[in-house]
Amino acid sequence: DAGVIQSPRHEVTEMGQEVTLRCKPISGHNSLFWYRQTMMRGLELLIYFNNNVPIDDSGMPEDRFSAKMPNASFSTLKIQPSEPRDSAVYFCASRVATSGSYEQYFGPGTRLTVT
Amino acid sequence: GQQLNQSPQSMFIQEGEDVSMNCTSSSIFNTWLWYKQEPGEGPVLLIALYKAGELTSNGRLTAQFGITRKDSFLNISASIPSDVGIYFCAGQSIIQGAQKLVFGQGTRLTINP
Repeated sequence: DAGVIQSPRHEVTEMGQEVTLRCKPISGHNSLFWYRQTMMRGLELLIYFNNNVPIDDSGMPEDRFSAKMPNASFSTLKIQPSEPRDSAVYFCASRVATSGSYEQYFGPGTRLTVT
Repeated sequence: GQQLNQSPQSMFIQEGEDVSMNCTSSSIFNTWLWYKQEPGEGPVLLIALYKAGELTSNGRLTAQFGITRKDSFLNISASIPSDVGIYFCAGQSIIQGAQKLVFGQGTRLTINP
């Protein structure tokens, strides 16, 4: 079975440009999570969705970041305008939101470099 | 917010040695998960623990959910080169939010052949 799919795997952009990261969760999973990973701060939860609805976006750094989930099989994380401090690896994870199971499955990540 | 203290931060061992790492928290967790991350990849789930005192194995890996519900450990027996990577613990609690996981800082494992 296919795991979580993310694209692109690598993105290099200049400061001020818009960046869009994409995620396809595992089929049948109804919760989706966006994380950011840096050496300094480790893995940080940015936002998560249940059944395509954003539940908690308290981890989104600022208004430059936005996330959408138009359907059960697709989500985007957008940064506009991008800044060098946004350079990090961004992960998408998904799970089945059933009672008693909290296992999240991660995608391969998108390594973002903003120059 | 809640934090997990994971130790050690790094380990340098010889192939064939056993490995032990742990995570502790000041508050109670309902779930403990252990992940492994290799360079350029996302974290991969190794073991999930749901009951205090639970001991679960996955091949050469064994993890336990502490009886106080504030800690967990992961052991790797007879390490091999492919065990190299960063191991993360993650916990879930009602305080943090039913769906959110808190992650430890990771233990970087290096193996000398």
